[in-house]
Amino acid sequence: AQKITQTQPGMFVQEKEAVTLDCTYDTSDQSYGLFWYKQPSSGEMIFLIYQGSYDEQNATEGRYSLNFQKARKSANLVISASQLGDSAMYFCAMRRPSGGYNKLIFGAGTRLAVHP
Amino acid sequence: DTGVSQNPRHKITKRGQNVTFRCDPISEHNRLYWYRQTLGQGPEFLTYFQNEAQLEKSRLLSDRFSAERPKGSFSTLEIQRTEQGDSAMYLCASSFSTGLSGNTIYFGEGSWLTVV
Repeated sequence: AQKITQTQPGMFVQEKEAVTLDCTYDTSDQSYGLFWYKQPSSGEMIFLIYQGSYDEQNATEGRYSLNFQKARKSANLVISASQLGDSAMYFCAMRRPSGGYNKLIFGAGTRLAVHP
Repeated sequence: DTGVSQNPRHKITKRGQNVTFRCDPISEHNRLYWYRQTLGQGPEFLTYFQNEAQLEKSRLLSDRFSAERPKGSFSTLEIQRTEQGDSAMYLCASSFSTGLSGNTIYFGEGSWLTVV
């Protein structure tokens, strides 16, 4: 069965420092996609970054990078130069393309608090 | 704003009443999804449409739940005879259907339901 595990219920980071949010996944598929979403208190799920299982390079989007270690089945999110506005819930998700659709399986999330 | 739009954003209803949520996806997206999120959890898949066809329903979607996407554009999610356990945020999302990589699923701001 497919599963996403986020072992850090909460994380604290000082403003302007980098932080790593952990995500491990379990799948027997060879082809899959990994996503990170940010959810502020308003509720909207904001797409941050995507990594395909066949992508050889780690994905980067501005201050966000994804540390993809396929053999370990981990897809950690690194946020560089944290800002106060980064305080939110962060969810790791996996998409399986089998079946021809894009159902996402989410982890339980990590709450990040950025301190000034 | 051309993102996914949901309304109402908040709904408080008495147990036993019916409620309906509406979702307007990103206009060129032909796939539409409904997810449910309870406090402290990641979103869980409920159902998925490609154009007007409902292609999958989760076991979470009991007989009291019905979703429609009559013209392949907006969608409605109706909950009949609401129960307190239905209290959650209902998230709508949309995406393209072509390609495997990078066809990101974009979420709306969610509709909060409180059943009292």
